[in-house]
Amino acid sequence: LAKTTQPISMDSYEGQEVNITCSHNNIATNDYITWYQQFPSQGPRFIIQGYKTKVTNEVASLFIPADRKSSTLSLPRVSLSDTAVYYCLVGPLQAGGYQKVTFGTGTKLQVIP
Amino acid sequence: NAGVTQTPKFQVLKTGQSMTLQCAQDMNHNSMYWYRQDPGMGLRLIYYSASEGTTDKGEVPNGYNVSRLNKREFSLRLESAAPSQTSVYFCASSELSGYTFGSGTRLTVV
Repeated sequence: LAKTTQPISMDSYEGQEVNITCSHNNIATNDYITWYQQFPSQGPRFIIQGYKTKVTNEVASLFIPADRKSSTLSLPRVSLSDTAVYYCLVGPLQAGGYQKVTFGTGTKLQVIP
Repeated sequence: NAGVTQTPKFQVLKTGQSMTLQCAQDMNHNSMYWYRQDPGMGLRLIYYSASEGTTDKGEVPNGYNVSRLNKREFSLRLESAAPSQTSVYFCASSELSGYTFGSGTRLTVV
């Protein structure tokens, strides 16, 4: 099972780009990388998912190097509403595949005015 | 567009009481999960159901039981609540692309 390591916390000023890196040295061939966002008193919410290279959606970008042993979530021009905990998950995309996936403590991002 | 619905949202129990947390999803997902989240911690998997008719233990199953009633519903039962079970409980469902979580049940055991 791929273990993930993220920074415990990060601070950023409004309007800056934020990059959160996740290490997953023993990622398996059929594993995908997925990032979730959690606000206080809410369940985590899907942000972005990728397998390799770069993925971009309306919210974020995900950069995955060729060796796939790490990934970086990039949030452009953060606002106060981006203050949340961000989780990096690594696991297979198969039916029920997430039973083997564990959530770590995530990265607590604090956006400062 | 309900997604995953959990009831109740809040509950206070006395030690030794029992209760069932309900979860239903309307996305036709095969897999469903129950997590608990303690203050300042990540989510820990209690039980999961990979498909209708199957359930299996996760990381912290002691003190809990589950029932996958049908494809839509997955309930979590506390037979004899303990203060250590005070937590926020999240239900989730998934298909190939990732989880959808409910809004949580905040449970306090006194």
